[in-house]
Amino acid sequence: EDQVTQSPEALRLQEGESSSLNCSYTVSGLRGLFWYRQDPGKGPEFLFTLYSAGEEKEKERLKATLTKKESFLHITAPKPEDSATYLCAVQNDMRFGAGTRLTVKP
Amino acid sequence: NAGVTQTPKFQVLKTGQSMTLQCAQDMNHNSMYWYRQDPGMGLRLIYYSASEGTTDKGEVPNGYNVSRLNKREFSLRLESAAPSQTSVYFCASQGNTEAFFGQGTRLTVV
Repeated sequence: EDQVTQSPEALRLQEGESSSLNCSYTVSGLRGLFWYRQDPGKGPEFLFTLYSAGEEKEKERLKATLTKKESFLHITAPKPEDSATYLCAVQNDMRFGAGTRLTVKP
Repeated sequence: NAGVTQTPKFQVLKTGQSMTLQCAQDMNHNSMYWYRQDPGMGLRLIYYSASEGTTDKGEVPNGYNVSRLNKREFSLRLESAAPSQTSVYFCASQGNTEAFFGQGTRLTVV
């Protein structure tokens, strides 16, 4: 059975303090890996799709990378508005991880 | 462009009552999904439909039924609601790549 595990469960950062979120997966023949952002009371919002090991995608302060076993979401110099829950999912069966709840303090 | 629309947004049911959650998408996507989201557990797949006329069980299908009415609409039915079904329910639709989500239905069963 496919598995998607995210760590840490929660992360508190000071504004400007860079860090990384991890998404490890066990999938046979990964078709694609998604990253989503979810704000309280709202549905997940798409951020990135990664298809192959070594691929990187960037959007503002966020950069997603992919290896054969895991993906990282790097957050550079975060701002309070980056506070949200970040979710990853594998495209094969649209299985999601439990998410990382990020809080950025001013 | 509405995307994925879910109704209702909020619902309170008594144990044993039935209800149907509605979902419609206007992106001409083939695949549609129903998830539930509980604190600390992320999104868990209840049922999905790869195309009009087909449905399959996901990770947590017990207590639910679905209908893919046409390409646009995918409904989720609770025949006899239980307190364990208190959750936030999300519908999603997917074309060739990423899925797009509705805003969710917050369901409380008392």
